[in-house]
Formats: sequence, C-alpha cells, structure tokens
Amino acid sequence: LAKTTQPISMDSYEGQEVNITCSHNNIATNDYITWYQQFPSQGPRFIIQGYKTKVTNEVASLFIPADRKSSTLSLPRVSLSDTAVYYCLVGDIGKSSGDKLTFGTGTRLAVRP
Amino acid sequence: GAGVSQSPSNKVTEKGKDVELRCDPISGHTALYWYRQRLGQGLEFLIYFQGNSAPDKSGLPSDRFSAERTGGSVSTLTIQRTQQEDSAVYLCASSLSLATYNEQFFGPGTRLTVL
Repeated sequence: LAKTTQPISMDSYEGQEVNITCSHNNIATNDYITWYQQFPSQGPRFIIQGYKTKVTNEVASLFIPADRKSSTLSLPRVSLSDTAVYYCLVGDIGKSSGDKLTFGTGTRLAVRP
Repeated sequence: GAGVSQSPSNKVTEKGKDVELRCDPISGHTALYWYRQRLGQGLEFLIYFQGNSAPDKSGLPSDRFSAERTGGSVSTLTIQRTQQEDSAVYLCASSLSLATYNEQFFGPGTRLTVL
C-alpha cells in the first residue's frame, strides 16, 4: 500500500508552468501513477497516468524518475481555470486482500491573474 | 448514460436514521468504486466492485456501512444508524474494467449531512 505525500497548496500566475510533485516511497512494482483534477462540488477528473519515464498528453506531462519513488505533474502555461485540487493516485487493486487505492491528500493550486 | 450519476445529490438526515446512496455507473463499465470525502479533505477509499462482487470490504469504516451491486450496474451504499461523523460527500466512480482502475470516471457525489 503506497502512501503518497503532496504539497498542501501552491500558487501560480497565468501563463506560468506549474510542477506538482507527489512522493510515493514504497510504490510497488505493479503500481501505476495517476493524477486527477477536482473542482469544487465535482468529482475528480482523470488527467494523466504513467508507469515510468515521461508521459505527455494534450493537458499535462508526467515525469517519473527511474526509482519511481516520486512523480511530477507538469501543467504548461496555466490559466485561471486550472485552479483546482490535484491528486496523485498510486496503487493496485484486485490482486490481494486489503488492496486499496490511495489518493494523496491533494494539492490546492491557485492561479492568479 | 453519458456519465456516472448519483442520487440523491444532497441528503440531510437525523442521527440514528438509515440512508441509501445510489450510483449509476457508465454503461458497460464492470468496475465500480465508492469513496468518502470529508470537507476539505482527500478521498478515502471505501470499497470496489468487479461485476456484482465486492472481494474486499475491509475499507468500509464500520459494520454500519454496507454496499451492494446488482445486475452489474447500479450500486447502493447503505449507512445504518447514521452518526454525525458520517457527514461527508460520498463519491462513486466506475472504470471499464478492474484492469483500468487508474482511469476512473467519477460522479458528482452525494452530500450527506447528519444532524
């Protein structure tokens, strides 16, 4: 069961690149790393996932070092609408008893004009 | 449906009453998940279903909590003898299969308030 640690909050300005790091020191071999975005009064929304190295999609990039003990979500040129809480999810499920999906405590990103 | 739906969107109940929360997953999604989110906090994993089966119920907070899923579709989370500490948003999510647990689609949640 991989416990995750994220910064509680971050501030940024429009147009800047934002990097949010999640630590997961005891990640298991089969665990993937996934990031979600949550706006107030809504359920989380999938952003990106990866296993190792770098993954990029139209929304973000995910950097995972070789030891996989951390991961960094990179949001290029943020806008006001990127203000949200970002969660990393690490875990596996369906393989053994007691499996859980552990979301991080979340990082509250505030983007200012 | 187009997305995961949950009902009711809000529920206010008195301490000691039973409540039922409903989740309709995306059609064709075989895996379903329940989470609890207390005000200003992260997501607490409760239980998952593969089809109608919940292989592991150890994440449920107490024996007052139970969940079932019928027809591989709708799921109900039941809380008996509600307590004030049960007040939270209960989120349901589904994924195409358990193998794609990383890409979950969440519903809007049910906000439960226990007076």
